[in-house]
Amino acid sequence: DAKTTQPPSMDCAEGRAANLPCNHSTISGNEYVYWYRQIHSQGPQYIIHGLKNNETNEMASLIITEDRKSSTLILPHATLRDTAVYYCIVRVVLRGSSNTGKLIFGQGTTLQVKP
Amino acid sequence: NAGVMQNPRHLVRRRGQEARLRCSPMKGHSHVYWYRQLPEEGLKFMVYLQKENIIDESGMPKERFSAEFPKEGPSILRIQQVVRGDSAAYFCASSTRTAAYEQYFGPGTRLTVT
Repeated sequence: DAKTTQPPSMDCAEGRAANLPCNHSTISGNEYVYWYRQIHSQGPQYIIHGLKNNETNEMASLIITEDRKSSTLILPHATLRDTAVYYCIVRVVLRGSSNTGKLIFGQGTTLQVKP
Repeated sequence: NAGVMQNPRHLVRRRGQEARLRCSPMKGHSHVYWYRQLPEEGLKFMVYLQKENIIDESGMPKERFSAEFPKEGPSILRIQQVVRGDSAAYFCASSTRTAAYEQYFGPGTRLTVT
């Protein structure tokens, strides 16, 4: 699975968009990009995932570059409750039930939303 | 719709005792995963189970740790003869069969070994 690189920390003003980058330059064609976050002491929370098209859900948007070597998670209007460690994870997804299910968490990006 | 449930939330054991951690997956989820987070460290995968089957236990320590997901009842992570180094937060997650990487995590069990 491709290695990911994220900045260790970022700040964002409350109410502004938070843009969290992730580099995955060795990503292969069947690898998806997943984003999770962990708010202090809580269990991780699934946010969003994508293959090559941009994705949006009620929590965030995921922008993947055309060459798929990097992506950006966007929280459109960050709140103090979005302060967390954000993890970008790349995994091969196979059809059906053949996937290992193993998520490999790196160091992530600590996002601090400030009032 | 209840999420993933873990109990107990906090568990204190003396060195040498056994710890049993329980996890009930989300309704409709047939796959369970256990992760461990040591103090000030990242999350590490331990084991992946389906009902009555261990699919991947590559992250489990070779000794003292075992996991099961019986046909009926919750998944159990069992740690025998606990040592201080086992003190950590243990998180359980669940998923459907076809979305293995879209995992929903429980609140965790904080194990403290004294």
